Amino acid sequence: AQTVTQSQPEMSVQEAETVTLSCTYDTSESDYYLFWYKQPPSRQMILVIRQEAYKQQNATENRFSVNFQKAAKSFSLKISDSQLGDAAMYFCAYSGYALNFGKGTSLLVTP
Amino acid sequence: NAGVTQTPKFQVLKTGQSMTLQCAQDMNHNSMYWYRQDPGMGLRLIYYSASEGTTDKGEVPNGYNVSRLNKREFSLRLESAAPSQTSVYFCASSTGLFSYNEQFFGPGTRLTVL
Repeated sequence: AQTVTQSQPEMSVQEAETVTLSCTYDTSESDYYLFWYKQPPSRQMILVIRQEAYKQQNATENRFSVNFQKAAKSFSLKISDSQLGDAAMYFCAYSGYALNFGKGTSLLVTP
Repeated sequence: NAGVTQTPKFQVLKTGQSMTLQCAQDMNHNSMYWYRQDPGMGLRLIYYSASEGTTDKGEVPNGYNVSRLNKREFSLRLESAAPSQTSVYFCASSTGLFSYNEQFFGPGTRLTVL
């Protein structure tokens, strides 16, 4: 079974600064997909960004970008110019046979 | 479009009681999923339905049953609720099964079993 590990239970960043959330995964598959989901206090799960494993180019979505290191099985999320609205739980997820989530990182954004 | 809707939003049950969580999507998606979210555990897949008429077990199916009533609706049933089933339950849907397709989530149901 694939496992997803988020080693940072909590992170803090000041408004307008940059923060990186870490994620590693374990798989023997060669073709898969990776996601970052955001869960604000409202509990709604929102897709932030996704990456196809066979694409070497790192995905970007506005202020959000990833650093995908396939050999190292690492998939980190970088949030630039952090905003108060970015405060939430962030979940890394792996999709191969099934969608497996990490335990999440709680991001606090301070003014 | 309402997206993915779930009812109820909150529910309290006594041990041994049964209930059905309802989920519906209006995006014409083929695949639907049920997850549970426990503190410190992330989301875990209970059951999924690749397409209308099919259902399969996920990571934590024990104590649950599902029905894919039609393309829009996917219900989750607890036949005899246990305190270990206290959790937040999310329904999700996607165009196709897992892979690159974004999963759209409902707002969740907070279930407490006393």
